Amino acid sequence: DGGITQSPKYLFRKEGQNVTLSCEQNLNHDAMYWYRQDPGQGLRLIYYSQIVNDFQKGDIAEGYSVSREKKESFPLTVTSAQKNPTAFYLCASLRGGSNTEAFFGQGTRLTVV
Amino acid sequence: DAKTTQPTSMDCAEGRAANLPCNHSTISGNEYVYWYRQIHSQGPQYIIHGLKNNETNEMASLIITEDRKSSTLILPHATLRDTAVYYCIVRVANTNAGKSTFGDGTTLTVKP
Repeated sequence: DGGITQSPKYLFRKEGQNVTLSCEQNLNHDAMYWYRQDPGQGLRLIYYSQIVNDFQKGDIAEGYSVSREKKESFPLTVTSAQKNPTAFYLCASLRGGSNTEAFFGQGTRLTVV
Repeated sequence: DAKTTQPTSMDCAEGRAANLPCNHSTISGNEYVYWYRQIHSQGPQYIIHGLKNNETNEMASLIITEDRKSSTLILPHATLRDTAVYYCIVRVANTNAGKSTFGDGTTLTVKP
């Protein structure tokens, strides 16, 4: 079955360490996105990529980095520069073209202690 | 992309219709209205979308006003499993959904 997979579901890290969140899709979608969600709030865009080897900053990119070396993969690195990294992180993908909807992964809950 | 406004929370009795409103007064002519829902601690799920005509699928109906400045998502027979946060967003077709602002959505609670 096609889908978008985020791993791991729960992740714990010590403060000051970089951590990379995985996002893989086998939907052959061109565009991929990373969102952050804090308790009781909506989704905020971190980074997005419309094509391989290209990506753009979203609304809250500071302290994060991404790469898009393969169409299927869009990993997100939460760096030590991110002041409040503890959050729920969601990855999404979208097929190019008109009139399409986004597919979301099940999220990774990152806790930094 | 246009901004949307939704009520913070709503309650609905099980088996009744749930009507969730959304205001998008600055919507452009080429922007679609999309609805997603998010059950606690899961990724958002697509529900329905439309441009100007009313739409219906197996999950819900979408009613868009003639001036397109507001819309209503209708869950015809709400169940306890429909308890979730519902997001209304608008975006231009042919562009990425990532530039859409989800906002805080409406928390729908379906009660027995």
